[in-house]
Amino acid sequence: AQSVTQLDSQVPVFEEAPVELRCNYSSSVSVYLFWYVQYPNQGLQLLLKYLSGSTLVKGINGFEAEFNKSQTSFHLRKPSVHISDTAEYFCAVGNTGNQFCFGTGTSLTVIP
Amino acid sequence: GAGVSQSPSNKVTEKGKDVELRCDPISGHTALYWYRQSLGQGLEFLIYFQGNSAPDKSGLPSDRFSAERTGGSVSTLTIQRTQQEDSAVYLCASSRTSGNYNEQFFGPGTRLTVL
Repeated sequence: AQSVTQLDSQVPVFEEAPVELRCNYSSSVSVYLFWYVQYPNQGLQLLLKYLSGSTLVKGINGFEAEFNKSQTSFHLRKPSVHISDTAEYFCAVGNTGNQFCFGTGTSLTVIP
Repeated sequence: GAGVSQSPSNKVTEKGKDVELRCDPISGHTALYWYRQSLGQGLEFLIYFQGNSAPDKSGLPSDRFSAERTGGSVSTLTIQRTQQEDSAVYLCASSRTSGNYNEQFFGPGTRLTVL
């Protein structure tokens, strides 16, 4: 069995400030990790993913995430946020056993 | 090319009625997923198809929920005798294969409201 925990349901941050959205997972097998973003009134789209190799993954719109196996984390970061980054962010984990699950989401609000 | 499409975009129904939700995946994608998104509860996995078969039905919340996929393409999710707690946004996604290293492409969703 596997699960994903996003501890922060809402994160307000001022424009041009850095942000970190936290994601922790549990799984008994090797995992693939994803961050998806859902802009208001739109469908989900992939931000970035970790499959293997380098633990630092860069995605679209200046976001990056780091896979930390010892801490079972995959936190999402951006050094300077824009108003347009206001959205819902979902962490997800899949494994070789074809199980796939999403976290409950973090609502990022960028304040002008 | 065209993305994943879902219809209807909105559905309002009365408690006890049956509803059918449709998903058209990206052409050539063999894997198809259904999720339910409720306010404050994230995405709940319902079912996935590899081709026309559904190896994992574990997420369906009750026997009132069923899904089928024909021709390895279009899928329908049917909810019988709808209840108010079925109100949610139902999302469909497709990917090239069922391997979980593949990106899932999501449709815009169907917002279901059960009165």
